[in-house]
Amino acid sequence: DSGVTQTPKHLITATGQRVTLRCSPRSGDLSVYWYQQSLDQGLQFLIQYYNGEERAKGNILERFSAQQFPDLHSELNLSSLELGDSALYFCASNAPNTDTQYFGPGTRLTVL
Amino acid sequence: SQQGEEDPQALSIQEGENATMNCSYKTSINNLQWYRQNSGRGLVHLILIRSNEREKHSGRLRVTLDTSKKSSSLLITASRAADTASYFCATVHSGNTPLVFGKGTRLSVIA
Repeated sequence: DSGVTQTPKHLITATGQRVTLRCSPRSGDLSVYWYQQSLDQGLQFLIQYYNGEERAKGNILERFSAQQFPDLHSELNLSSLELGDSALYFCASNAPNTDTQYFGPGTRLTVL
Repeated sequence: SQQGEEDPQALSIQEGENATMNCSYKTSINNLQWYRQNSGRGLVHLILIRSNEREKHSGRLRVTLDTSKKSSSLLITASRAADTASYFCATVHSGNTPLVFGKGTRLSVIA
């Protein structure tokens, strides 16, 4: 158990819908990273937050957005879903001044 | 986009044998990390090697880093069936920045 929690574990929805994925980092970690894992694109970095502020942006679509709340949990919002958005979505956290990231168990999103 | 490539894409060995996976990357790095993923589950950190290090050991794992060739290798000695998983290398460009993953090597250890 990494100490990073993600909910829900599975999500099945239809095209055009909007979903919210939630992540709680390890106690004391200020950074949260979101990654997408799909068969064709592999593991891709989406976005990073540090202590409530956006720190870095990767290959995140405009239909996707995220935020980190004062209690440091983070939410990834995916809207106008397409079939190609079906993937595993992971969040990870790390402590300040360390590079090892601890991953949550992921949310498997299936868009039908 | 992926930083680099792992080689081989898939590897099948007998229990007790050693497994070697290679990773190449494209740009300068601060450190390189190896992660393990059991089928469809979260990634588990295995080992981190910094750009000024050449070799690192952790239990049955040995990692080497050659910054002149922009490559790294992960050696798992005396493999076990429980080592069956996908292994990913990930590079970090500078401190506290996102991981850039390779495509992974799928290792099967046959009992």
